[in-house]
Amino acid sequence: NAGVTQTPKFQVLKTGQSMTLQCAQDMNHNSMYWYRQDPGMGLRLIYYSASEGTTDKGEVPNGYNVSRLNKREFSLRLESAAPSQTSVYFCASSEDPGSSGYTFGSGTRLTVV
Amino acid sequence: AQRVTQPEKLLSVFKGAPVELKCNYSYSGSPELFWYVQYSRQRLQLLLRHISRESIKGFTADLNKGETSFHLKKPFAQEEDSAMYYCALRWSGGYNKLIFGAGTRLAVHP
Repeated sequence: NAGVTQTPKFQVLKTGQSMTLQCAQDMNHNSMYWYRQDPGMGLRLIYYSASEGTTDKGEVPNGYNVSRLNKREFSLRLESAAPSQTSVYFCASSEDPGSSGYTFGSGTRLTVV
Repeated sequence: AQRVTQPEKLLSVFKGAPVELKCNYSYSGSPELFWYVQYSRQRLQLLLRHISRESIKGFTADLNKGETSFHLKKPFAQEEDSAMYYCALRWSGGYNKLIFGAGTRLAVHP
């Protein structure tokens, strides 16, 4: 099992460019999440999807959009990248409800110049 | 509001020394807490969950509701324990969302 797969692993964007981060899971999980990881701030939730067809804002949604394409895939889009969006982005999935915790992807390191 | 606080950014110890990574939380409901670990250049992975009361890689963590703490402990640190450790609170009112602390980097020196 691949678990949670994120692409790309690294990306450099110019300010104002757009891009989509892809995430797919093969564990038949209902819930999927996008976090950003910044030094000294831990992981902050950007958006989440409790089930196929639903998405909700997390703690830091500004500047991002998401799409839950199907049960497996949950993409994160930056419409007009800004230097403040330089971060490491993690996708995760979980069974819901339940207390099994999250399974994380390997992350995407994004730099906006 | 729900919050997880990890007061130490860096904890530096020598091999064989005891380790305690602190985690405090604020939550009005019944808390469910986790520890996640991120080794260098690897993805985050679940280390412990409080409901399991398990010991993983020699680490244990006890939920203290009176002190609102969930400290991670290990009696004898190993070099391979060097990693970033995150405490997380599951917010039962929000579709299994996890709220993470800022993380503590554990450095174990030989």
